[in-house]
Amino acid sequence: AQKVTQAQTEISVVEKEDVTLDCVYETRDTTYYLFWYKQPPSGELVFLIRRNSFDEQNEISGRYSWNFQKSTSSFNFTITASQVVDSAVYFCALQRTGGFKTIFGAGTRLFVKA
Amino acid sequence: DSGVTQTPKHLITATGQRVTLRCSPRSGDLSVYWYQQSLDQGLQFLIQYYNGEERAKGNILERFSAQQFPDLHSELNLSSLELGDSALYFCASSEGTGLNEQFFGPGTRLTVL
Repeated sequence: AQKVTQAQTEISVVEKEDVTLDCVYETRDTTYYLFWYKQPPSGELVFLIRRNSFDEQNEISGRYSWNFQKSTSSFNFTITASQVVDSAVYFCALQRTGGFKTIFGAGTRLFVKA
Repeated sequence: DSGVTQTPKHLITATGQRVTLRCSPRSGDLSVYWYQQSLDQGLQFLIQYYNGEERAKGNILERFSAQQFPDLHSELNLSSLELGDSALYFCASSEGTGLNEQFFGPGTRLTVL
């Protein structure tokens, strides 16, 4: 079964705090892709990152970083020095190679207070 | 702005009715994906088309259908609407058949009364 679990429903932090959003996935596929998307209050979905299952290198993009650990089936997302504009719902997603069906987690709502 | 357009932005209709949602992909993208986001089901993949042909099917109800036209725009048809169909419907597009970055449109918010 394919599944993406984002156990944190809501997280509230104060500006400038670091915050990590957890994502755990289940798949029997050996080749797959993992994604993070941001959904700000305006509603649109914004692509943040794609990672393929063979590339376990961590990635940093500005204040964002991602930690992919295949051994624990986790793909966690860290925002460093959070800002109010980071307030949004963040979705982790898994995409299979066969059929290209994308499975989303339930999302984590992040509140960053000034 | 992702380059993907969806119309209408909002749609309010009654149970039992039929509606059509429209999506225009980014220039050059051949794949179109439809997603439904509702409070109880979360974000769910419905269906994918690539260059006019259906490529992948997700949790799409039989009352729903989609197609992609020769100019690559896509329509999602929802019929015999029920209250539970109220949701935000997203369209996304990508260059290839899959495993590519998908660019999402702004969504169509459907309210069934």
